[in-house]
Amino acid sequence: AQSVTQPDIHITVSEGASLELRCNYSYGATPYLFWYVQSPGQGLQLLLKYFSGDTLVQGIKGFEAEFKRSQSSFNLRKPSVHWSDAAEYFCAVGPDSNYQLIWGAGTKLIIKP
Amino acid sequence: NAGVTQTPKFRVLKTGQSMTLLCAQDMNHEYMYWYRQDPGMGLRLIHYSVGEGTTAKGEVPDGYNVSRLKKQNFLLGLESAAPSQTSVYFCASSYLGLAGIPETQYFGPGTRLLVL
Repeated sequence: AQSVTQPDIHITVSEGASLELRCNYSYGATPYLFWYVQSPGQGLQLLLKYFSGDTLVQGIKGFEAEFKRSQSSFNLRKPSVHWSDAAEYFCAVGPDSNYQLIWGAGTKLIIKP
Repeated sequence: NAGVTQTPKFRVLKTGQSMTLLCAQDMNHEYMYWYRQDPGMGLRLIHYSVGEGTTAKGEVPDGYNVSRLKKQNFLLGLESAAPSQTSVYFCASSYLGLAGIPETQYFGPGTRLLVL
């Protein structure tokens, strides 16, 4: 079955430290992969996406993600987090049989001053 | 461009009441979606539409109805609200990418619904 797992419900990182958010998926072929961010009280915004080509993709706000086919992962990274990065992050893969996205449950990022 | 807008932003209903949530997009997107977001459960797709006049069920469609009479609008209706429908509702839209697969989704700011 197709699925997306974000193993960490919460992650706490000190401001200025590096960040890695994990995303693992189960999918029969090469999926389309997305990371979205949701700031408190807001809708979701696309950070980056992977469809094909270079497996290291750059996104907005200094984020990047790497597609690793052998590990079925698409982890999100940032070298130095800022207090404004505190938000919830969602990984999504697709399409499913109805051409829709399969969403992870999200990881809430907490930034320590 | 306003992007995706949702009205109302917040609503309180009593059990059994009905209401309609309105979503509008000005990006000429083919696809539109209604999601609900509950703590710890991520986003769950309620209904979606692949074009004007067409709708389809998502993962959690029970208790909801939708209509897409105009390309830019997607309405979500609750005929008889229940406390289990207390949630944050998000509308999104997307365009068709390569091979007819939906591309990036653009989200509205959400509607907080409380059913007492």
